[in-house]
Amino acid sequence: AQTVTQSQPEMSVQEAETVTLSCTYDTSESDYYLFWYKQPPSRQMILVIRQEAYKQQNATENRFSVNFQKAAKSFSLKISDSQLGDAAMYFCAYNYQGAQKLVFGQGTRLTINP
Amino acid sequence: NAGVTQTPKFRVLKTGQSMTLLCAQDMNHEYMYWYRQDPGMGLRLIHYSVGEGTTAKGEVPDGYNVSRLKKQNFLLGLESAAPSQTSVYFCASSFTVPSSPLHFGNGTRLTVT
Repeated sequence: AQTVTQSQPEMSVQEAETVTLSCTYDTSESDYYLFWYKQPPSRQMILVIRQEAYKQQNATENRFSVNFQKAAKSFSLKISDSQLGDAAMYFCAYNYQGAQKLVFGQGTRLTINP
Repeated sequence: NAGVTQTPKFRVLKTGQSMTLLCAQDMNHEYMYWYRQDPGMGLRLIHYSVGEGTTAKGEVPDGYNVSRLKKQNFLLGLESAAPSQTSVYFCASSFTVPSSPLHFGNGTRLTVT
């Protein structure tokens, strides 16, 4: 079974610092996609970043970047220069070629301390 | 361009009552999903659809039914609500799988008393 594990239920960071959220996944597939979603207090789910497994290069979106370690099945999210607006639940998710649905981790609640 | 619209935003039901949640998307997406979100449980898939006229069970389908009569709409029904169905419900859609990201609605908070 495909599973996604986020081992940190909660994290906190000082404003302007860098924080890394962990995600590991279990799969026997070779062609798959990984996603990070953000859910702020407004409840809206927002795509943060996407990684294609066959791409060696780590995805980057402005202050958000990933450390994709395919052999270790690890997909961590790094947030640089943390801002108060980054405070949210963050969900890691996985989907693979041939599957019809995303598998989500249980989420990490990120708090930004001013 | 509204994206994914869920109605209603909030609802309170008494045990045993029925209701239907409506999800509408205007992006011509094939795939649509209903999730529930509970504290500490993440997002759990209830039912999904891979195209007009199709539905399939997710990981927590009991007590729910769905229909996808039109491509743009995906309805989630509760025939006899139970307190265990108190949750936040999210609809999502995607153009294709697995590469396309999900587009989410804003959620419906349902309380069953």
